[in-house]
Amino acid sequence: GDSVTQMEGPVTLSEEAFLTINCTYTATGYPSLFWYVQYPGEGLQLLLKATKADDKGSNKGFEATYRKETTSFHLEKGSVQVSDSAVYFCALGRLNSGNTPLVFGKGTRLSVIA
Amino acid sequence: DAGITQSPRHKVTETGTPVTLRCHQTENHRYMYWYRQDPGHGLRLIHYSYGVKDTDKGEVSDGYSVSRSKTEDFLLTLESATSSQTSVYFCAIASGGSYNEQFFGPGTRLTVL
Repeated sequence: GDSVTQMEGPVTLSEEAFLTINCTYTATGYPSLFWYVQYPGEGLQLLLKATKADDKGSNKGFEATYRKETTSFHLEKGSVQVSDSAVYFCALGRLNSGNTPLVFGKGTRLSVIA
Repeated sequence: DAGITQSPRHKVTETGTPVTLRCHQTENHRYMYWYRQDPGHGLRLIHYSYGVKDTDKGEVSDGYSVSRSKTEDFLLTLESATSSQTSVYFCAIASGGSYNEQFFGPGTRLTVL
């Protein structure tokens, strides 16, 4: 079945550092890929998404590229801020298939210190 | 922001008591989901619904039941709460459209003593 593996945290960075959170997936066919962010005390929010190979999703300075050859969707940001401190979840879905719930990774906690 | 509310937001109860959590949406989305979030486990799907009165089990459905009598409401019931069900519960909705992204509610923190 489908699965998502993301790097374990916590990840601690200084402000303005470069961020990479690794995410790889196992799936047949062509899944859609997502990154969600969860700020303290809140629910998950969709951060970015990509639906086909080589697509790049981007939002709020974060980027991730759908790499089918390496089955990866790594999250990157060039310069993190304290306000980026949150838990980040990689997820996999199926296009036009609400009957197939998203498959989530376990989450990576990011702490950014000033 | 997607119109999803959860009630109650916090609840403390005792072992053996029944508990019902409510998820309400104003988006008219077809699909609704219940997850629990625990340290070290990430998000785990409990049950989901693909229409009024249509539901299915997720990976951790034991001890939980659900009902959906209206498009906008999805109820999660713990028939007899146990301490292992202490968790944060999230509801999510999806339109089932091309991207199939899910939108999440703010969560309910449940403590079973």
